Amino acid sequence: DQQVKQNSPSLSVQEGRISILNCDYTNSMFDYFLWYKKYPAEGPTFLISISSIKDKNEDGRFTVFLNKSAKHLSLHIVPSQPGDSAVYFCAASLNSGGSNYKLTFGKGTLLTVNP
Amino acid sequence: EPEVTQTPSHQVTQMGQEVILRCVPISNHLYFYWYRQILGQKVEFLVSFYNNEISEKSEIFDDQFSVERPDGSNFTLKIRSTKLEDSAMYFCASNRVGADTQYFGPGTRLTVL
Repeated sequence: DQQVKQNSPSLSVQEGRISILNCDYTNSMFDYFLWYKKYPAEGPTFLISISSIKDKNEDGRFTVFLNKSAKHLSLHIVPSQPGDSAVYFCAASLNSGGSNYKLTFGKGTLLTVNP
Repeated sequence: EPEVTQTPSHQVTQMGQEVILRCVPISNHLYFYWYRQILGQKVEFLVSFYNNEISEKSEIFDDQFSVERPDGSNFTLKIRSTKLEDSAMYFCASNRVGADTQYFGPGTRLTVL
């Protein structure tokens, strides 16, 4: 099941520069997309989300872009900080009724921000 | 800030034994989920639960698995007869009515020997 793909297993950037994490999906019925950050031995922490009716959502240093025609989304972190070093998961949901949203995850990208 | 909690953080069990993983979702949330992540693999959906019944389950969630909300705060995942391949991190998540964002607990690492 490869409905959500994160093709880069790892990314290394310098502190202060931009980090761009990419995600592709195959199911055009997905209507909501989320990014989670995960540290070792912890659960995924919600970062930012975007509805399929938008193409951009910004929250502080984090911006998510959605290109529906390409079935592609990206997370931009600027400026990157060493504390951003973690695994980043892209997730997608399909409204299966009410507020019940099953999430489909990508494999994650390990971001390392070097001081 | 309210958060999802899970106990225990690590459970070691023998193959064939029953285990119960516990979660306390955020108090005003009504939709609850279990996910798991086998080492090196994706986070996978297991089951969703609302209004005291299962809303959706994956093919992983077979007859060996069950969920329950035994009281107003706890949400449990039971595995009746554990297998080696059940070894994974199990995450509980919840969201409130009208919201799209699920909040995850820290996980329980289940090791089946």
